[in-house]
Amino acid sequence: DIQMTQSPSSVSASVGDRVTITCRASQPISNWLAWYQQKPGKAPKLLIFAASSLQSGVPSRFSGTGSGTDFTLTISSLQSEDFATYYCQQANSFPHRFGQGTRLEI
Amino acid sequence: QVQLMQSGAEVKKPGASVRVSCKALGYTFNDYDIYWLRQAAGQGPEWMGWMNPNSGNTGYALQFQNRVRMTRNISTSTAYMELGSLRSEDAAVYYCARRARYNSCDLWGQGTLVTVSS
Repeated sequence: DIQMTQSPSSVSASVGDRVTITCRASQPISNWLAWYQQKPGKAPKLLIFAASSLQSGVPSRFSGTGSGTDFTLTISSLQSEDFATYYCQQANSFPHRFGQGTRLEI
Repeated sequence: QVQLMQSGAEVKKPGASVRVSCKALGYTFNDYDIYWLRQAAGQGPEWMGWMNPNSGNTGYALQFQNRVRMTRNISTSTAYMELGSLRSEDAAVYYCARRARYNSCDLWGQGTLVTVSS
């Protein structure tokens, strides 16, 4: 199985800040990577698929880069509604494992 | 409105089975695979398996292989996930999700809380 490791596990930031979250796969997955945002008591929400493609309706301040084993999610200018937990997920081969999550706090 | 509507919370005893349903609304059920995932309290989501509504073909993560079953009823656009031999570690919120481009999950059910307690 491909393991996914996110860092940091938590980050504190302020409205307007730029934040970057990193995800590393234990073996190459090309660009088969998705990013999700999850708020307490809610299902995850798809932000990015294919490592860098923005899901319809997601604000352009979210962006993703990477290929192979190393990936990043960047939020260019934090808004209050962005404070949540973020997960990466490899979608290259079954099982489609998730990272352990990054909690973004005020 | 495009959505996946899941069945309500369940409380089960250890050793029992649970069946969770997931009804597709607002889109053609047959056009997309369904994934099942679960999330224990304070943990990240865990991918359990997939099902193709057309063929009924399934694929399960190894750790669930012997006790999970994913089925569907095309006439009601509903997918089902049944997990047997429940243990305390199976307590979680169970989600269905629609498989989209690059195997991402673009549409999620609201989640079904399964509690396992004697």
